[in-house]
Amino acid sequence: EAQVTQNPRYLITVTGKKLTVTCSQNMNHEYMSWYRQDPGLGLRQIYYSMNVEVTDKGDVPEGYKVSRKEKRNFPLILESPSPNQTSLYFCASSWGSFYNEQFFGPGTRLTVL
Amino acid sequence: KNEVEQSPQNLTAQEGEFITINCSYSVGISALHWLQQHPGGGIVSLFMLSSGKKKHGRLIATINIQEKHSSLHITASHPRDSAVYICAVGANFGNEKLTFGTGTRLTIIP
Repeated sequence: EAQVTQNPRYLITVTGKKLTVTCSQNMNHEYMSWYRQDPGLGLRQIYYSMNVEVTDKGDVPEGYKVSRKEKRNFPLILESPSPNQTSLYFCASSWGSFYNEQFFGPGTRLTVL
Repeated sequence: KNEVEQSPQNLTAQEGEFITINCSYSVGISALHWLQQHPGGGIVSLFMLSSGKKKHGRLIATINIQEKHSSLHITASHPRDSAVYICAVGANFGNEKLTFGTGTRLTIIP
């Protein structure tokens, strides 16, 4: 089944404790991206990747890191999480670029205490 | 001011009504997406438009590039259409970012 998976789905952590949210797709998509969704603000793009080893900042990259060492995986790293990073996070992928249908993961709800 | 504005923010209608959700944007774009977010949180892509009109079942999406405006229409609305509908645009000035509207919450009453 074609899908985008994220892990974990739910995470409660404390300020400053490094964490990684994994994202994996099995559709051989080139474009992958991370978004956060906050009430009243909607979805905002954190980082995106056009292909392996090619990443770029979205609108809200501060406090986040990403890497794209393999085509299928695009982990989101929070090296020192803070409470303002409490949010619902989505990973998505598509063929080529943002021109094409976006396939979203199920979301990761992160709470930073 | 957000680059992508949706209206209305909330919409409640009776089953069977014709629904229109609007999206206006302020930048030149290469692509516009309509997404549906279910009450459980999952997001699915409905349409990608760069011009004209697309139809899928009871859903129709149109875009007017000159007026920087897109509409999503639902014919013969049904309670299962209740969801948040989100517009997203990809600008045409050299990056590959998507910018999103804040969504329209649609509730269809049986």
